Amino acid sequence: SAVISQKPSRDICQRGTSLTIQCQVDSQVTMMFWYRQQPGQSLTLIATANQGSEATYESGFVIDKFPISRPNLTFSTLTVSNMSPEDSSIYLCSVAVRTGGRETQYFGPGTRLLVL
Amino acid sequence: AQTVTQSQPEMSVQEAETVTLSCTYDTSESDYYLFWYKQPPSRQMILVIRQEAYKQQNATENRFSVNFQKAAKSFSLKISDSQLGDAAMYFCAYSSNYGGSQGNLIFGKGTKLSVKP
Repeated sequence: SAVISQKPSRDICQRGTSLTIQCQVDSQVTMMFWYRQQPGQSLTLIATANQGSEATYESGFVIDKFPISRPNLTFSTLTVSNMSPEDSSIYLCSVAVRTGGRETQYFGPGTRLLVL
Repeated sequence: AQTVTQSQPEMSVQEAETVTLSCTYDTSESDYYLFWYKQPPSRQMILVIRQEAYKQQNATENRFSVNFQKAAKSFSLKISDSQLGDAAMYFCAYSSNYGGSQGNLIFGKGTKLSVKP
């Protein structure tokens, strides 16, 4: 398995500002994913971040709004830019870990964001 | 595109009883993975059980088991001897299989499970 931490765990932000969320994993992983979970909803993939290449964004998500960095195999950041109340969500990172020939995705504890 | 459907927004079970959560999916792929994740109020997503599509045998993990019907594209979760700690949102998820590596997870809308003492 993998131990994943996220910072901050929660934040309250003002409209128009930006927040950077950090994701740290205790082992080297190739693929990291960023998901958004809007209130009372399921998880939606924002982008896939591989070390050494640009993130791949899903339909409806753009780099200008959600820039992602992946400087090494244990760390990634997601920035939520120019925030509006509609960005209020839980943001989760996950990593794909291969053990015994099987790959499994593990999730961080999430960052709860409230935009006023 | 692949989709995952959970038709039960909420379910309730008596402690020590058995409950089954439903999930159906749609895909044109022949090889993929299916998962059940649990999200308690702490919001930490926890993997409960996984199933490889090429395996005919249903996966089991202690009190948790699945009924995987590939032809019907059905993947239900059975929780036996329900415990208070099982109360959570349960998400069914699908992932493509890229030569043993997962693609991104596609989630259903979730089923909120309550456990009555």
